[in-house]
Amino acid sequence: QLQLQESGPGLVKPSETLSLTCTVSGGSISTSSYYWGWIRQPPGKRLEWIGSIYYSVNTYYNTYYNPSLKTRVTISVDSSKNQFSLKLSSVTAADTAAYYCARHQGMTYFDYWGQGTLVTVSS
Amino acid sequence: EIVLTQSPATLSLSPGERATLSCRASQTVSNYLAWYQHKPGQAPRLLIYDASNRATGIPARFSGSGSGTDFTLTISSLEPEDFALYYCQQRSNWWTFGQGTKVEIK
Repeated sequence: QLQLQESGPGLVKPSETLSLTCTVSGGSISTSSYYWGWIRQPPGKRLEWIGSIYYSVNTYYNTYYNPSLKTRVTISVDSSKNQFSLKLSSVTAADTAAYYCARHQGMTYFDYWGQGTLVTVSS
Repeated sequence: EIVLTQSPATLSLSPGERATLSCRASQTVSNYLAWYQHKPGQAPRLLIYDASNRATGIPARFSGSGSGTDFTLTISSLEPEDFALYYCQQRSNWWTFGQGTKVEIK
């Protein structure tokens, strides 16, 4: 059974960089069929896709990001640890949210999710 | 951006009753719509994909219908474990989600 688990600081100061890691167990993150994404949900607001990364035999790891967050987001993979990570720079209070990692197959749906981790941006 | 609007915000029903949840898209998404169930502290669970296909392991009491801009999730007879939040999500143009419908015990 595939499992995803988010980890990282629960409190980040304004203007700093939010860093989260998703550890995948029960399957390889380097399987070309699967994409690995980050989604967040600010309090009282709807879920928002942040970005995704996928492995391709020819081009290795490829990323694509929500246009509204693109300038601040970096998603990367550590295949040796079967993990992928999110970095969101220059955070403000508006970035306070529950952050989820999830798997999807191409431009389809998120079929496995982590339980989520709450990140608060505050001084 | 495609905006998804779910209604009602809250549905108060008793176990055994039928639940009907609606999701409307701001522009056509064909049949590229999914439904998720989310309980506090748990990972969201994919219920329905491409409007009407049940995901692996999802009970038959969950069904989805619709195409274009109007979609429905129906739970034919509510079980105690079905009381939760439900979200719709489209994949026609990137991914966006509805604001959710809470199904609560009456």
